[in-house]
Amino acid sequence: DAGITQSPRYKITETGRQVTLMCHQTWSHSYMFWYRQDLGHGLRLIYYSAAADITDKGEVSDGYVVSRSKTENFPLTLESATRSQTSVYFCASRPDRDQPQHFGDGTRLSIL
Amino acid sequence: QKEVEQNSGPLSVPEGAIASLNCTYSDRVSQSFFWYRQYSGKSPELIMSIYSNGDKEDGRFTAQLNKASQYVSLLIRDSQPSDSATYLCAVLGGGSNYKLTFGKGTLLTVNP
Repeated sequence: DAGITQSPRYKITETGRQVTLMCHQTWSHSYMFWYRQDLGHGLRLIYYSAAADITDKGEVSDGYVVSRSKTENFPLTLESATRSQTSVYFCASRPDRDQPQHFGDGTRLSIL
Repeated sequence: QKEVEQNSGPLSVPEGAIASLNCTYSDRVSQSFFWYRQYSGKSPELIMSIYSNGDKEDGRFTAQLNKASQYVSLLIRDSQPSDSATYLCAVLGGGSNYKLTFGKGTLLTVNP
């Protein structure tokens, strides 16, 4: 039972580069989420999705793009990375509206 | 802006004591409540869900919900050093809203 997998686990890149963080879940969960976690801010929602081809912006979506062409994949792209996007990124999924969500192991992203 | 408030801590308790973690939320129509544990450098891990007023027990953990007071708590009995972590309260809003709102977490330290 692979669950939810994020890749890469660690990434270092430079400002201005495009970066894509991958999220794959094997549960066929409808709902998927991307968060970033920074000291002093807790978990902040970037984007979320209720189903394939349905995505919505969260509270910190500027500079990020998502797609969800298949239920199991929910990639997050930083179109032109900035230092302020250095963070730990977590993907999460849950089967329906009222069930708890489960998190991937996270991607630690550093932008130099 | 829907908010979830937690004491940031750190909360320090001796081994074997009861640790009490508190959370208040602003959205009166919230329906589902969750507690996550996050070890340093790891992803959040679900430990309790609670949906109705009252207490819910699972092993050493008890979640308590009071919707009238907009208050949810987590009690950890017989605290162990392995319980040392940050505890995140998460609240799911009512209606069509399916976003989880997280508190910033309470750091718990259990001293041997």
